Amino acid sequence: GAVVSQHPSWVICKSGTSVKIECRSLDFQATTMFWYRQFPKQSLMLMATSNEGSKATYEQGVEKDKFLINHASLTLSTLTVTSAHPEDSSFYICSASPGHYYQPQHFGDGTRLSIL
Amino acid sequence: QQQVKQSPQSLIVQKGGIPIINCAYENTAFDYFPWYQQFPGKGPALLIAIRPDVSEKKEGRFTISFNKSAKQFSLHIMDSQPGDSATYFCAAMYTGNQFYFGTGTSLTVIP
Repeated sequence: GAVVSQHPSWVICKSGTSVKIECRSLDFQATTMFWYRQFPKQSLMLMATSNEGSKATYEQGVEKDKFLINHASLTLSTLTVTSAHPEDSSFYICSASPGHYYQPQHFGDGTRLSIL
Repeated sequence: QQQVKQSPQSLIVQKGGIPIINCAYENTAFDYFPWYQQFPGKGPALLIAIRPDVSEKKEGRFTISFNKSAKQFSLHIMDSQPGDSATYFCAAMYTGNQFYFGTGTSLTVIP
């Protein structure tokens, strides 16, 4: 149980394009979804928290116009990196939580984004 | 400010050894402490978790020890195997999903 699917797992694109990453909770309803960025050999850096049907809450220093988050249903959240540049290249990971007390976050397998 | 401090940064043990990873926190509002295991190129996977009303929890070869007064908790891996080589993250959570991760420990188990 508690499976989170993230797609695509790897994407390479040219600078200036926009990239959409999907995060789906397959066997539970995710009241809350989280988006993280992880640099090599470093911890997870929370970018934003989204609750179904409401606007995402972005962490300090994260550009909300650059990283668009949509959480339109209880099983799907998307992260769109707009006008991507090489410095946006990273490993992006989503997680989902049922939102009940003492429920852990369940992570997707991440998306390796490479901007040329 | 790092809410959860994790050590060591890296750890190398022989097969069969018992690696111990430690985490410390300051905020007494934290009430749930999970550990995650991450392999290269994959997302973190929940390993084991504990609540502060329990001092120890064991699942298979993985044990969490929790010291509420010292605000510390640790992960012990019994009879470690090369397949346990991964990065381990501790985390602390408020009721209501506010999560804070440690900086991670890279574990290598030598055959």
